[in-house]
Amino acid sequence: GQSLEQPSEVTAVEGAIVQINCTYQTSGFYGLSWYQQHDGGAPTFLSYNALDGLEETGRFSSFLSRSDSYGYLLLQELQMKDSASYFCASYTGGGNKLTFGTGTQLKVEL
Amino acid sequence: EAQVTQNPRYLITVTGKKLTVTCSQNMNHEYMSWYRQDPGLGLRQIYYSMNVEVTDKGDVPEGYKVSRKEKRNFPLILESPSPNQTSLYFCASSVGFLGYTFGSGTRLTVV
Repeated sequence: GQSLEQPSEVTAVEGAIVQINCTYQTSGFYGLSWYQQHDGGAPTFLSYNALDGLEETGRFSSFLSRSDSYGYLLLQELQMKDSASYFCASYTGGGNKLTFGTGTQLKVEL
Repeated sequence: EAQVTQNPRYLITVTGKKLTVTCSQNMNHEYMSWYRQDPGLGLRQIYYSMNVEVTDKGDVPEGYKVSRKEKRNFPLILESPSPNQTSLYFCASSVGFLGYTFGSGTRLTVV
């Protein structure tokens, strides 16, 4: 089966940098994605890593180490609007099967 | 506007009464999928589809059916809903690994 582990909650102050970790155990692993979800809203795609290394998109960066079955999402210059749940998700198999972690709730404080 | 449209947004129904949640996308995506979201459990995949007439079970398919007769539509059918199917449901579509686009969600309550 597939499983992805994330911390359940992270708190940080506005303007800071925060890292959300994700460790996974999956077979037929293709890559790791990150999604953001505000309360009551739909998940929105943030990033995708197929290869080892860092992918940067504005204030957000995502990292993958396939050998360690580990990835993280890095959020810089935190803003209040970044308060949301963040999910890592692994792509497996040829059918674009996407399995989500249980999510990390990020609280940004003043 | 590129989007995934689900209907209804909210639905309260009684146990055993068949219902369908519709999902339509206007992006010509091959891949479509249904997820349910429950507190503490994250998003769990119910069914997914790689293209027209091609569907496969996800992690929690029991009690659900889907069909993919047209590329744009991927309805979720609950033949005999039960209270344990009370959940927030999301439909999503993608063209590949670049990320799914999710609908706004359907909050279903089965009493």
